[in-house]
Amino acid sequence: NAGVTQTPKFRILKIGQSMTLQCTQDMNHNYMYWYRQDPGMGLKLIYYSVGAGITDKGEVPNGYNVSRSTTEDFPLRLELAAPSQTSVYFCASSYDVETQYFGPGTRLLVL
Amino acid sequence: AQSVTQPDIHITVSEGASLELRCNYSYGATPYLFWYVQSPGQGLQLLLKYFSGDTLVQGIKGFEAEFKRSQSSFNLRKPSVHWSDAAEYFCAVGAPEYGNKLVFGAGTILRVKS
Repeated sequence: NAGVTQTPKFRILKIGQSMTLQCTQDMNHNYMYWYRQDPGMGLKLIYYSVGAGITDKGEVPNGYNVSRSTTEDFPLRLELAAPSQTSVYFCASSYDVETQYFGPGTRLLVL
Repeated sequence: AQSVTQPDIHITVSEGASLELRCNYSYGATPYLFWYVQSPGQGLQLLLKYFSGDTLVQGIKGFEAEFKRSQSSFNLRKPSVHWSDAAEYFCAVGAPEYGNKLVFGAGTILRVKS
């Protein structure tokens, strides 16, 4: 099993550009999550999904959108990139509340 | 809503010394408690978790944590630190009524000096 994979690893965006961060898991987990990590702030939940076709906002959803058309994939969309979205983004998945499995992260720089 | 506080931003210990990382949570009942570790440039890996039962839980890599309800704490300990333990450690809390969502602390960066 590859676990949770994320692409790209690193990206530089200009202000106002859009992009999609990809996340795929091969563990057949129903639950998937997107977090952002900023220095000294821990991880903040952006969006999460409890199954295909079901998504909900987390703590910091503004400026982001998600979709969940399959169990495996949970892409995160940035429509109009802003410097405040410079961060490291982590995708995670879980079977239940017990353990979340994290991807390696995507480092995003918005200039 | 639940919250997590990790009072120490940085901790430096000598290799071979004991370690304790502090975690305090705010929640009315008994939450689900977790410790994750993040090596530089990596994702997070679960060290251990507490749901119920024995308040002293053992994890991977020789770590353990103790749940103390009276102090709302879930401190992480290791009797002898190795240089490879240098990383950032995150405490997280979940609760049944919040589904599978976790709230993370700000993290503690552990430095190990030889």
